[in-house]
Amino acid sequence: DQQVKQNSPSLSVQEGRISILNCDYTNSMFDYFLWYKKYPAEGPTFLISISSIKDKNEDGRFTVFLNKSAKHLSLHIVPSQPGDSAVYFCAASAETSYDKVIFGPGTSLSVIP
Amino acid sequence: DAGVTQSPTHLIKTRGQQVTLRCSPKSGHDTVSWYQQALGQGPQFIFQYYEEEERQRGNFPDRFSGHQFPNYSSELNVNALLLGDSALYLCASSEQGPEQYFGPGTRLTVT
Repeated sequence: DQQVKQNSPSLSVQEGRISILNCDYTNSMFDYFLWYKKYPAEGPTFLISISSIKDKNEDGRFTVFLNKSAKHLSLHIVPSQPGDSAVYFCAASAETSYDKVIFGPGTSLSVIP
Repeated sequence: DAGVTQSPTHLIKTRGQQVTLRCSPKSGHDTVSWYQQALGQGPQFIFQYYEEEERQRGNFPDRFSGHQFPNYSSELNVNALLLGDSALYLCASSEQGPEQYFGPGTRLTVT
């Protein structure tokens, strides 16, 4: 049973526009959420995170929104750049076992110049 | 400052054989986690090592075992390889908390 879901396997966006990547989770014990970016032939790279005590966290062009009641989070990239083309993984962990991080299946983002 | 390194890059083994993968954590990191990433899926947590002990484990059989050395480097061992063990194996290191730094992975192919 998949505890972290990313229902869009792929997404295409025009350069300069907003990219919105979505993630849903089922385990109510999750209280810390992360986004990772992965380029081919490289390991995932940490992008941004959010604790369940917040509903928004920003870092430059990247903003993560958390809706705890809906068990949903989203990553917004504004403006999107061709270098953002990668696979994005949503991940979650629980305070009781922060070391055990559960990843979603990923969304492949293509930013078209 | 070297990041997380893994060896080998690629590996081909036959069903039933055993394999050992190696990982050196980022400088200053004392915790190492191992993940299996099958094609088209996200990384699946195998286990984590801290102070040379297995601290957390995912839903993987006992054929998957590991070790952490005093210098924090780590090994992942898989016995009695199955075709389904073919995957990218990722090592990640951290100081504390869930934010981890990943290595480039070892691509294992079982034939």
